[in-house]
Amino acid sequence: AQSVTQPDIHITVSEGASLELRCNYSYGATPYLFWYVQSPGQGLQLLLKYFSGDTLVQGIKGFEAEFKRSQSSFNLRKPSVHWSDAAEYFCAVGARGGGYQKVTFGTGTKLQVIP
Amino acid sequence: KAGVTQTPRYLIKTRGQQVTLSCSPISGHRSVSWYQQTPGQGLQFLFEYFSETQRNKGNFPGRFSGRQFSNSRSEMNVSTLELGDSALYLCASIDDGVPDTQYFGPGTRLTVL
Repeated sequence: AQSVTQPDIHITVSEGASLELRCNYSYGATPYLFWYVQSPGQGLQLLLKYFSGDTLVQGIKGFEAEFKRSQSSFNLRKPSVHWSDAAEYFCAVGARGGGYQKVTFGTGTKLQVIP
Repeated sequence: KAGVTQTPRYLIKTRGQQVTLSCSPISGHRSVSWYQQTPGQGLQFLFEYFSETQRNKGNFPGRFSGRQFSNSRSEMNVSTLELGDSALYLCASIDDGVPDTQYFGPGTRLTVL
């Protein structure tokens, strides 16, 4: 079975600073990987996904993520954070089995942006 | 395309009552999944439906049930509500592809008093 770990529960960055959110997964084969963002009281919005090909994936809102097989990681990055990026971010790993895909979500990282 | 619709958005019930939540997926999507989200437990998978059949189920008691209709709309039901059922219930519309991609609705906030 797959699993995903987001080691940072809470991160605080200054507006304009760069951001990196960590995600480590455990799965025997190449997984499907996702990043979602959730604003308070809202549903989750898909930022980006990886399933094959180029290991650097571009997403919406200026985010990107890099798949590193050797480190079992899929870290999310943004070069310059805006106050509106304050939210909770979830990494997820998907794996096919039994004819369909099973998805496991991490526990999330809350991002605080200070002016 | 219209997004995922969940109704109602907010709900207040008392212990012992039962509740039904509704989810309309994105047009063309045949799969739907449901999650419970609480501050203490995070996102927990409830169940997933594909073409009216439940194909995956999480570790929740039998009080939690769901179904999917021929138009792909889905409902989940919680009977005999407990205080601990207070949560944000999220429905995701699944684009069956490679990979399957979940698109979430805004959620239904259930408060049990």
